[in-house]
Amino acid sequence: AQTVTQSQPEMSVQEAETVTLSCTYDTSESNYYLFWYKQPPSRQMILVIRQEAYKQQNATENRFSVNFQKAAKSFSLKISDSQLGDTAMYFCAFMRGGGSNYKLTFGKGTLLTVNP
Amino acid sequence: GAGVSQTPSNKVTEKGKYVELRCDPISGHTALYWYRQSLGQGPEFLIYFQGTGAADDSGLPNDRFFAVRPEGSVSTLKIQRTERGDSAVYLCASSLTGHNTGELFFGEGSRLTVL
Repeated sequence: AQTVTQSQPEMSVQEAETVTLSCTYDTSESNYYLFWYKQPPSRQMILVIRQEAYKQQNATENRFSVNFQKAAKSFSLKISDSQLGDTAMYFCAFMRGGGSNYKLTFGKGTLLTVNP
Repeated sequence: GAGVSQTPSNKVTEKGKYVELRCDPISGHTALYWYRQSLGQGPEFLIYFQGTGAADDSGLPNDRFFAVRPEGSVSTLKIQRTERGDSAVYLCASSLTGHNTGELFFGEGSRLTVL
């Protein structure tokens, strides 16, 4: 079974600063995907960024980027130029590839607060 | 609507009662998922529908939980003889197909409180 660990229950950052959220995972799979989802107070989970395990290049989406270290099974999220609207719970998630690529396994989340 | 719609938004019930939670996915999405998010935890997989059939119900905790999707669109999660431990946010998501690269579209969830 896969496990996803987020070791930072809470973090805070000043507006316009950069913050990094940590995630580690454990799997014996070679084909998989990793994700960061954001959950604001509205409870709706929103996909922030996605990484395919077979790609060595780190994914980026505007102010969001990841540091994917496959050998270390580490997948951190960097948020640059933090904005007040980035305040939310952030969940790291794992999904197997191949025929089972539909089930997400989530970590416990990190509550990020962006301070003005 | 444009997004995944879940009703009710909040439901308070008494222990032992029967509850139904409804999910209306994005039009045209063939895959539908239910997840349960307990307080302080990440969402946990319950069940996955491809069309009308449950392709994987391995996450349902016990036989008090059941879900249907009779016409391949709206889905209902049914909980019998509710227990206090069933209190959680129940999230529904949909995607265009079942085998995807992880872009699930989530609703805002139904918060269930069992007294």
